[in-house]
Amino acid sequence: KNEVEQSPQNLTAQEGEFITINCSYSVGISALHWLQQHPGGGIVSLFMLSSGKKKHGRLIATINIQEKHSSLHITASHPRDSAVYICAVRSIQGAQKLVFGQGTRLTINP
Amino acid sequence: DAGVIQSPRHEVTEMGQEVTLRCKPISGHDYLFWYRQTMMRGLELLIYFNNNVPIDDSGMPEDRFSAKMPNASFSTLKIQPSEPRDSAVYFCATRDRGAYNEQFFGPGTRLTVL
Repeated sequence: KNEVEQSPQNLTAQEGEFITINCSYSVGISALHWLQQHPGGGIVSLFMLSSGKKKHGRLIATINIQEKHSSLHITASHPRDSAVYICAVRSIQGAQKLVFGQGTRLTINP
Repeated sequence: DAGVIQSPRHEVTEMGQEVTLRCKPISGHDYLFWYRQTMMRGLELLIYFNNNVPIDDSGMPEDRFSAKMPNASFSTLKIQPSEPRDSAVYFCATRDRGAYNEQFFGPGTRLTVL
């Protein structure tokens, strides 16, 4: 079993829908990252969380440390949100290392 | 700042050849990470440096891979000899020393070994 599991692996939705991507992990962590990878391949850091919730524009990330679970929400989704969303954790033992989930491929149709 | 700079952006080579990938970090960033991304395995950490010193190279797949950081402005990842299974996208990422600072990724080098 991978240390970081994401669901769903693929998600297709219509423009305007509310999107939720989930991430579960099995190790103690010091931080969790949400990354976005566009079709061109570049990777952008969206959020880094150690507790609670963060919001940036239409994106919201939450984390529940006790349940070892995080969610990434997108409100009023748009075709430009189409990308692969990757969850990564920095384990307490691993210091600076990031362990990545397999990613969720999101497609938003107009 | 121009962000993390990687070169080349694409590399096509034949099996057995030496490949050198290059990374210029964001000025002032203390940590530099080399990652590999494949369809089968996703993103994996290969090695990371702190203040130019290699800290953890446990992700380096085998002796054919080596990485150096001779100064704060430059790092290389070398594969010698290259094999078709090394075909992947290689990312360099850097971050500041703050414990909760995010990583900034370069655009990646797409390597194809024929």
